[in-house]
Amino acid sequence: GNSVTQMEGPVTLSEEAFLTINCTYTATGYPSLFWYVQYPGEGLQLLLKATKADDKGSNKGFEATYRKETTSFHLEKGSVQVSDSAVYFCALSDLLSGGYNKLIFGAGTRLAVHP
Amino acid sequence: EAGVTQFPSHSVIEKGQTVTLRCDPISGHDNLYWYRRVMGKEIKFLLHFVKESKQDESGMPNNRFLAERTGGTYSTLKVQPAELEDSGVYFCASTRGQGRAETQYFGPGTRLLVL
Repeated sequence: GNSVTQMEGPVTLSEEAFLTINCTYTATGYPSLFWYVQYPGEGLQLLLKATKADDKGSNKGFEATYRKETTSFHLEKGSVQVSDSAVYFCALSDLLSGGYNKLIFGAGTRLAVHP
Repeated sequence: EAGVTQFPSHSVIEKGQTVTLRCDPISGHDNLYWYRRVMGKEIKFLLHFVKESKQDESGMPNNRFLAERTGGTYSTLKVQPAELEDSGVYFCASTRGQGRAETQYFGPGTRLLVL
């Protein structure tokens, strides 16, 4: 079945460091890929998405490229800030496995950024 | 536009009791979803409503869980009787339509603790 695997946390970085959170997926069909973020005390927010191969999603300095050949959607940011401290979830939806309305999530990666 | 709201934000109950969670989607969103995150693991899909109809309830864990969406507006998720393993964070999300690039808008979640 479909699944999402993301790197275990927590990830602890100093401010202005480079961030990579790895995400790989298994899908039956041709999925759409998402990164959601949960800031402390808040709900999930969509950070970025990509719906076809080689698409790059970007938002708030974060980027992720849909790599079909490696089944990956790694999240990157060149210079993190303390305000980026949150839990990041990689997710997919796939028409052939439950449809586009069923998001399949990874376990989440907690990021802590220190001044 | 108001976002997805959930009530209560926290609930602590004893094993065997009943709890009802409520979700109010974004106005005009026909699609409503329930998800659950247990013990810091991945967020898992529970079910999907289109208006008042259940389109997909493949993720509902057992018959102790009952979801309703009378009138196609807000939804309730009742757990009766609650068990220890039901503890976790219950998220609700909504979308206007269905499709490959559709973004699910999430509420802040209800944190349920069963003692």
